[in-house]
Amino acid sequence: GAVVSQHPSWVICKSGTSVKIECRSLDFQATTMFWYRQFPKQSLMLMATSNEGSKATYEQGVEKDKFLINHASLTLSTLTVTSAHPEDSSFYICSARGGTVIFNEQFFGPGTRLTVL
Amino acid sequence: SQQGEEDPQALSIQEGENATMNCSYKTSINNLQWYRQNSGRGLVHLILIRSNEREKHSGRLRVTLDTSKKSSSLLITASRAADTASYFCALGSGNTGKLIFGQGTTLQVKP
Repeated sequence: GAVVSQHPSWVICKSGTSVKIECRSLDFQATTMFWYRQFPKQSLMLMATSNEGSKATYEQGVEKDKFLINHASLTLSTLTVTSAHPEDSSFYICSARGGTVIFNEQFFGPGTRLTVL
Repeated sequence: SQQGEEDPQALSIQEGENATMNCSYKTSINNLQWYRQNSGRGLVHLILIRSNEREKHSGRLRVTLDTSKKSSSLLITASRAADTASYFCALGSGNTGKLIFGQGTTLQVKP
């Protein structure tokens, strides 16, 4: 099946710094990538939809200036958490779909655990 | 809420027993998907059922979909300790490809 990777798998940073998370589709071209966050023992919450070459579409309540998304190529999307604070600590997961998929099948990355001190 | 609601929230069974999880929703969908997540890991896609399908099988998994009742169920037969994980339903609708996840069911299978 299709493989999606994320880097880094975990990161610890100080409050106020910015952190970039990469999401790559390794063996297919991802026309659309999605970013989710997941708090402990909770479900995944969709943050934004990223289409290659265009601006991301953010879900209600997600701050565009805080969570910068760039989908510069068909295999790479990045999420930058700017001026991170402890409440941004979470598990961030990306997913990707592409090609001629009709029924929304998405392939998920392994996730990135962010801890902000 | 667009989210799927799952029940039970937690389920504990003995190895060899069957596990059934349910997902109900309120919006129209064009497909419903089930995923598994082991603690602290990414998601594994289990099965996708389209809105015009009523039942699908994949190995020990059986998924049903009743669009009139807006509900789906996931049955895992002859459970194994390795099935211990959280299970999420995800609703697919429209052309954007967005998935809205349910709250999940935590399954524990005791050896």
